[in-house]
Amino acid sequence: NAGVTQTPKFRVLKTGQSMTLLCAQDMNHEYMYWYRQDPGMGLRLIHYSVGEGTTAKGEVPDGYNVSRLKKQNFLLGLESAAPSQTSVYFCASSYGKGSNTGELFFGEGSRLTVL
Amino acid sequence: RKEVEQDPGPFNVPEGATVAFNCTYSNSASQSFFWYRQDCRKEPKLLMSVYSSGNEDGRFTAQLNRASQYISLLIRDSKLSDSATYLCVVNIQGAQKLVFGQGTRLTINP
Repeated sequence: NAGVTQTPKFRVLKTGQSMTLLCAQDMNHEYMYWYRQDPGMGLRLIHYSVGEGTTAKGEVPDGYNVSRLKKQNFLLGLESAAPSQTSVYFCASSYGKGSNTGELFFGEGSRLTVL
Repeated sequence: RKEVEQDPGPFNVPEGATVAFNCTYSNSASQSFFWYRQDCRKEPKLLMSVYSSGNEDGRFTAQLNRASQYISLLIRDSKLSDSATYLCVVNIQGAQKLVFGQGTRLTINP
């Protein structure tokens, strides 16, 4: 009964360090997303993927890279972390095209602090 | 202008009261509309979809006004457990992504 799993759940980085957030889903969903959530800003889309091997930029892609080498995994990378990237990161997945229910299934979130 | 705008609140209402939120969207090509609920320090979860004819799910009623480009959520006989942040979400036709409003925070007081 895993659904969408994010790792790690908490991380503290120093400015300039790199890290990767891993998202895994076991529902065979086509679409996957990475959002960040900041106070007063709501959820903002960073990058998304509509299928294995494809990625696209969202609203706030700068400073992040992503990869979708396997259908069930969507990785979010920070090459050189900055304090402005302190946030809560949510991964989500959905069935995809042809099933426009609007239902996203979210992971529990990853809290990242950049010092 | 933001694509989806909500009154952030907070709304503080007594248990048993009726409360309503509105959400406006800027893109007239928006096709699908949803309300999500997010509890404190938790992930968002789908509360209900919003249909053109309006729809009801128990104590919750959602309405869509395409002419004025807004959607609303009405909660009747509010419960303590309704305390959460309510997120308005819009799917623009042809775009394979959902746009979230910043959320409206609701606290139900005993």
